[in-house]
Amino acid sequence: DTAVSQTPKYLVTQMGNDKSIKCEQNLGHDTMYWYKQDSKKFLKIMFSYNNKELIINETVPNRFSPKSPDKAHLNLHINSLELGDSAVYFCASGPFNYNEQFFGPGTRLTVL
Amino acid sequence: GDSVTQMEGPVTLSEEAFLTINCTYTATGYPSLFWYVQYPGEGLQLLLKATKADDKGSNKGFEATYRKETTSFHLEKGSVQVSDSAVYFCALSNAGNNRKLIWGLGTSLAVNP
Repeated sequence: DTAVSQTPKYLVTQMGNDKSIKCEQNLGHDTMYWYKQDSKKFLKIMFSYNNKELIINETVPNRFSPKSPDKAHLNLHINSLELGDSAVYFCASGPFNYNEQFFGPGTRLTVL
Repeated sequence: GDSVTQMEGPVTLSEEAFLTINCTYTATGYPSLFWYVQYPGEGLQLLLKATKADDKGSNKGFEATYRKETTSFHLEKGSVQVSDSAVYFCALSNAGNNRKLIWGLGTSLAVNP
């Protein structure tokens, strides 16, 4: 059973398009996260939701919009994709009262 | 603000060599400290953790001791294997940061047979 799953695993698209990445966790955690990892492996947090409520919103262009329909899902929608959005995007989850995070396998986004 | 500094890679070792990856931190209060590992093509996974000073985290032959006096959490393994080739991330979590992990830049390790 996959604990944190993301779809799709790979996403290749043209500049200017809009795309979504879906994330689901079956661990019963309250908190979910989106991270961006660049080609140098630098990991940057983008958003965090606790029980469907946004609690972390780092400096991210407003073309990126997270949506949490329930506490097991956190989706990421990206409008007007740019070349610089090419990266691997990781979803993670964790219990709110504890600091450990469990990561999904990542979605490699390539913008052409 | 809180920060984590870890040694730059890449680190290249021969199988059975001793590994040390340095990690130091700056934080107020008493953070929890973590090492995560990212194998090629995969997401990060927790390797070990320590929640208070002098705690030693250990897993899969890796160890790290939370040293408050030197604000360090160095990762060590006595004998590395080819399968340990991965990127290793040091991280801290502090109360009041909204459960945000503060990450180091990652250290790439390549182990040659």
